[in-house]
Amino acid sequence: DTAVSQTPKYLVTQMGNDKSIKCEQNLGHDTMYWYKQDSKKFLKIMFSYNNKELIINETVPNRFSPKSPDKAHLNLHINSLELGDSAVYFCASSQDRFRLTLFGQGTRLTVV
Amino acid sequence: GDSVTQMEGPVTLSEEAFLTINCTYTATGYPSLFWYVQYPGEGLQLLLKATKADDKGSNKGFEATYRKETTSFHLEKGSVQVSDSAVYFCALMNYGGSQGNLIFGKGTKLSVKP
Repeated sequence: DTAVSQTPKYLVTQMGNDKSIKCEQNLGHDTMYWYKQDSKKFLKIMFSYNNKELIINETVPNRFSPKSPDKAHLNLHINSLELGDSAVYFCASSQDRFRLTLFGQGTRLTVV
Repeated sequence: GDSVTQMEGPVTLSEEAFLTINCTYTATGYPSLFWYVQYPGEGLQLLLKATKADDKGSNKGFEATYRKETTSFHLEKGSVQVSDSAVYFCALMNYGGSQGNLIFGKGTKLSVKP
């Protein structure tokens, strides 16, 4: 199936750990994003890559680092996890920066 | 900066009731407007969109009209079903000088009772 897929769907980890969330799209899109949804359901952009180049880097702690090995993948690495990092993280992609954005199923991260 | 404001929830309706979820926006230029839906435990799905003034987006019985004069994009459905229970997000993408990301409202939770 053509889609934006992210793994894992659920991630429970202890404070201080380092974890990664993977995202892949097989739609041939040029642009990929990470959005964060907090406990109140508010969604906000974190990062955006266009053809492997970082184009959006919102004010997020530098413990969060996106990595794009190729334009079909945008992984999110989080170092030294904190309780406040608990959220749902959505990967998304679009054909270019101004086309329709499609989302993955989300990764629910819980830091204990 | 650009922003989206949508009505606070939760909204609770009986099946077959009429639904309106208000959404207004602030943006320079001519943004495109979207409604996304998030069903319980699932990701975001695009519900409908409109790319210019007076456009009407529609899908699954839902409609929204891009009103530039009132900077609004209210979501409506004539007869809701229990299966419409979800969180609805209004969003905009501003192509004028934008980096191409969506700006979301805070979401409105809809619960439909049988």
